[in-house]
Amino acid sequence: GNSVTQMEGPVTLSEEAFLTINCTYTATGYPSLFWYVQYPGEGLQLLLKATKADDKGSNKGFEATYRKETTSFHLEKGSVQVSDSAVYFCALPYGSSNTGKLIFGQGTTLQVKP
Amino acid sequence: DAGITQSPRHKVTETGTPVTLRCHQTENHRYMYWYRQDPGHGLRLIHYSYGVKDTDKGEVSDGYSVSRSKTEDFLLTLESATSSQTSVYFCAISGVAQTDYEQYFGPGTRLTVT
Repeated sequence: GNSVTQMEGPVTLSEEAFLTINCTYTATGYPSLFWYVQYPGEGLQLLLKATKADDKGSNKGFEATYRKETTSFHLEKGSVQVSDSAVYFCALPYGSSNTGKLIFGQGTTLQVKP
Repeated sequence: DAGITQSPRHKVTETGTPVTLRCHQTENHRYMYWYRQDPGHGLRLIHYSYGVKDTDKGEVSDGYSVSRSKTEDFLLTLESATSSQTSVYFCAISGVAQTDYEQYFGPGTRLTVT
């Protein structure tokens, strides 16, 4: 079945540094891929998504490209801010197509220091 | 923001007592999910619903039951709480499973079983 592997954290960066959080997946076909973000004390919220191979999802300065050759969907941001401190989850669908189920990576904690 | 509320937001209970968590949505979405979040495990699906009175098990369903008698409400019950069920519980909703898979999350319920 589908699975996702995410780089372990925590990741600690200084403000304005470049961010990469790695995500690789195993899947049948080419499912949509997602990045979710969880700010302290809150639920997850969708950060960006890509619905087909070679698509680039982007939002709030974050980007991720759906690369089928390397089965990867790495999250990047050119200049992080303290407000980006959060836990980031990579996710993709699994199971029957009529259930909407998602499988999530372990989560990567990002801490940005001023 | 998607209209999802969870109640209670915090609960402390004793081992062996029954506990019911409520998820309420105002979006009229068909699909609803219960997850638990634990350090080192990311998010794990407990149960999900694909319509009124239609529910199914997720990957960690033992010790939990659910009910959905109305589109807007999805209840999670711990019949006899154990310390291993201490966790943060999230409800999520989704409108269109087959073509979107985007899920919207509630704010979470922190449950402590002593």
